[in-house]
Order: sequence, then C-alpha cells, then structure tokens
Amino acid sequence: DAGVTQSPTHLIKTRGQQVTLRCSPKSGHDTVSWYQQALGQGPQFIFQYYEEEERQRGNFPDRFSGHQFPNYSSELNVNALLLGDSALYLCASSLRPAGTNEKLFFGSGTQLSVL
Amino acid sequence: GQQVMQIPQYQHVQEGEDFTTYCNSSTTLSNIQWYKQRPGGHPVFLIQLVKSGEVKKQKRLTFQFGEAKKNSSLHITATQTTDVGTYFCAGPKGGKLIFGQGTELSVKP
Repeated sequence: DAGVTQSPTHLIKTRGQQVTLRCSPKSGHDTVSWYQQALGQGPQFIFQYYEEEERQRGNFPDRFSGHQFPNYSSELNVNALLLGDSALYLCASSLRPAGTNEKLFFGSGTQLSVL
Repeated sequence: GQQVMQIPQYQHVQEGEDFTTYCNSSTTLSNIQWYKQRPGGHPVFLIQLVKSGEVKKQKRLTFQFGEAKKNSSLHITATQTTDVGTYFCAGPKGGKLIFGQGTELSVKP
C-alpha cells in the first residue's frame, strides 16, 4: 500500500521562473492538502483539493495555484518565483477534507530552492 | 497570523529527563492532533484528542486536551535519543488544519 508520494524531491529554480510540484495521495484517500514549511517553522496551509475543486485556501497569493485530477493526484504550481518561496512543500492526503476530524498523511516533500 | 501557539520553541534535555510541550488556541477546537517530524523528515501523525479533558497515553508519551478545549500538552517521560525531532500540534480552524510552530526536542545521550 503506497503512501503519499511527491515529486521531485529537490528542485532549484531562479527568481521569476515557474514550478510545478506533483503529489499522489495514499491509496483510498480523495483529499489533498498542500503546505509550505520554511526552515524552523510549522507547516503553513496553502490550499486543499477535494472532488477536483479547491475547497479551502490559506493566506497565499494567487501565484500559488493547484489542480486535482480524477485519480485524486494533485499539482501545485507557483508562478513568478520569489526568493521567499524557498521552502519544503508538503503534500498531505486524507480520507475526507481535513479541518474536521481527519488525520493527515504527509509525503516526504519537495525541497524548493529559489536563487 | 499564527492561531495555534506552541511553547517552548526549543527544548534541550539530558537523556532520561522528562519533556513537555504546550499548545494553545485562541478559540475552542473540535479536536487537537499531534505530529512528530524527525530531522530531515516529514510530519507523522501521533494522536488525536476529541473530548474535553481527555488524556491518552502511548508508552512514554502522555497527551492531554484541556477542559475548555483550547489547550493541549504532550509529555514525554524519561526521554530517549529516539525522541529527537519537532513536535507539532494542529487544530481545525475554518475548515483547515492549522499547525503550531512546533517544539524542537534535542536529547543529549
């Protein structure tokens, strides 16, 4: 039973570029949440996808967008990268939308460095 | 801004000493979850507390949910080097699971 998988594991980009991160949820899960974790900080909620729609959004600019596919996998896109976007991007899946009583299963993350 | 606060930010202990981290919310929570993130790893779910005043134990770990459901604590008895990592509490707010800043635990053998 595969857990949450993310790709790539590491990525280096320059300011102004665009990036796409990918996530496959744990088998049987239909909800995907994305978090940004800066060094030494807690995960910050970006958004959550359920039934191929963005259901909840955190305090992130429109440069951050996402998508969920019919097979429940998801993408996170960041446009016009800034140095401050450098962080570990975590994908988490759950049986139902988190924010209720659902626990999250995290992937290993994508470490994004913006130079 | 941060809506779930954790203290302390760092805790350095000698192996065998106890450790406690505290979590506080400005609003009542329907439940509180705890996660552990090992250095270089990702958060892993430990436990969920739902009821007011609930206490749950996992071996040397004791989790408590406050009577007002606004605060929680994690206590580790007789720490071991395997306990090293950052412990996060997380609570549902506005349909999102919001994480605290975490308490980083280091254990000196």
